[in-house]
Amino acid sequence: KAGVTQTPRYLIKTRGQQVTLSCSPISGHRSVSWYQQTPGQGLQFLFEYFSETQRNKGNFPGRFSGRQFSNSRSEMNVSTLELGDSALYLCASSQGAFSTNEKLFFGSGTQLSVL
Amino acid sequence: GQQVMQIPQYQHVQEGEDFTTYCNSSTTLSNIQWYKQRPGGHPVFLIQLVKSGEVKKQKRLTFQFGEAKKNSSLHITATQTTDVGTYFCADSGGYQKVTFGTGTKLQVIP
Repeated sequence: KAGVTQTPRYLIKTRGQQVTLSCSPISGHRSVSWYQQTPGQGLQFLFEYFSETQRNKGNFPGRFSGRQFSNSRSEMNVSTLELGDSALYLCASSQGAFSTNEKLFFGSGTQLSVL
Repeated sequence: GQQVMQIPQYQHVQEGEDFTTYCNSSTTLSNIQWYKQRPGGHPVFLIQLVKSGEVKKQKRLTFQFGEAKKNSSLHITATQTTDVGTYFCADSGGYQKVTFGTGTKLQVIP
């Protein structure tokens, strides 16, 4: 079974630009969540989607948005990039019914550098 | 909001020594999950604890959940170089809003 796939692996952008990151979950997994990882702030929850609906959102500005498609693939968009957005963006999938206790399967992440 | 802190932030040990990381929450934890992230890698699920006072073992790793469900610990006996990485605890609260701890970075000196 293929794992969680994130593309691209690396991205370099300049301030003010926008970026779209992609995540393909494990086959059969319907929940996709996104995390921002930085050395200073650790792993911070961005948002989570289940069956194309956003179920939860973290404390990030509106420049961060996402969506999920009918095949469970998800995209995350960041508009008007700032230097502080430089981070590793991780996507995780789980089978994700309306319950807790789902373990997360992470992708390799997209390393975003904003210059 | 909820804060999940881990101590220590960094730990260097000689190979063969034991290692413990502690996870403390400002609020009662729903369940606790532990993940390991190797250098340059992504977090990988290790285990989940659900019940107050629960103890689980995986070979050299022992996981404990506090009686009050506000803390947890991971103990590694006789560390090996393969144990190198950052260990995160996470509160797997409702609807996948997982709150990760600050992480403990383990370095094992051969």
